[in-house]
Amino acid sequence: DQQVKQNSPSLSVQEGRISILNCDYTNSMFDYFLWYKKYPAEGPTFLISISSIKDKNEDGRFTVFLNKSAKHLSLHIVPSQPGDSAVYFCAASHYNQGGKLIFGQGTELSVKP
Amino acid sequence: NAGVMQNPRHLVRRRGQEARLRCSPMKGHSHVYWYRQLPEEGLKFMVYLQKENIIDESGMPKERFSAEFPKEGPSILRIQQVVRGDSAAYFCASSPGTSGRREQYFGPGTRLTVT
Repeated sequence: DQQVKQNSPSLSVQEGRISILNCDYTNSMFDYFLWYKKYPAEGPTFLISISSIKDKNEDGRFTVFLNKSAKHLSLHIVPSQPGDSAVYFCAASHYNQGGKLIFGQGTELSVKP
Repeated sequence: NAGVMQNPRHLVRRRGQEARLRCSPMKGHSHVYWYRQLPEEGLKFMVYLQKENIIDESGMPKERFSAEFPKEGPSILRIQQVVRGDSAAYFCASSPGTSGRREQYFGPGTRLTVT
């Protein structure tokens, strides 16, 4: 039962262009969403989050969009930089399940110079 | 470094041995979570603890796995009688537990290899 899905295992983007990473979820009880970035042999690093009362949250080059009716969220990175190359995970939680995060399978982003 | 600390970073065990993984949360954080990542998969929730209490262990295998977060000292994830299928990266995360914000901050992980 994969409640959070990232259907693209990989994405390749040219430096300076926009990277768009997508995530779909099935559980309508989810009310908080997060994006993490992970380099090999390291732990995930928190990037940005969004509550279900919002449809957009921005932090520097990173913007997360939430479409509740479609149960879809996306992470936009503009402009993309080679150092952004990593695996990106989206995660979801709902207030009734304490702190438990449900992760997608990840999308490997490669930003080419 | 005030981040989440995990040790050891790498652990090799033979089948049937015990594995003990340690996690010290970020300073000021009282909530600890353990996740497991199998090869080519996302992170899977295992257990959520506060000091001296297990809050949610719905992701823990029913046998051989246990976790604790004592009043003093790090959180421990213990795997008894390890099998090859236990080989994975185990990540610990912590949070302050403040309502409204649910970000969790992860340690570098312990990579367990069972031979």
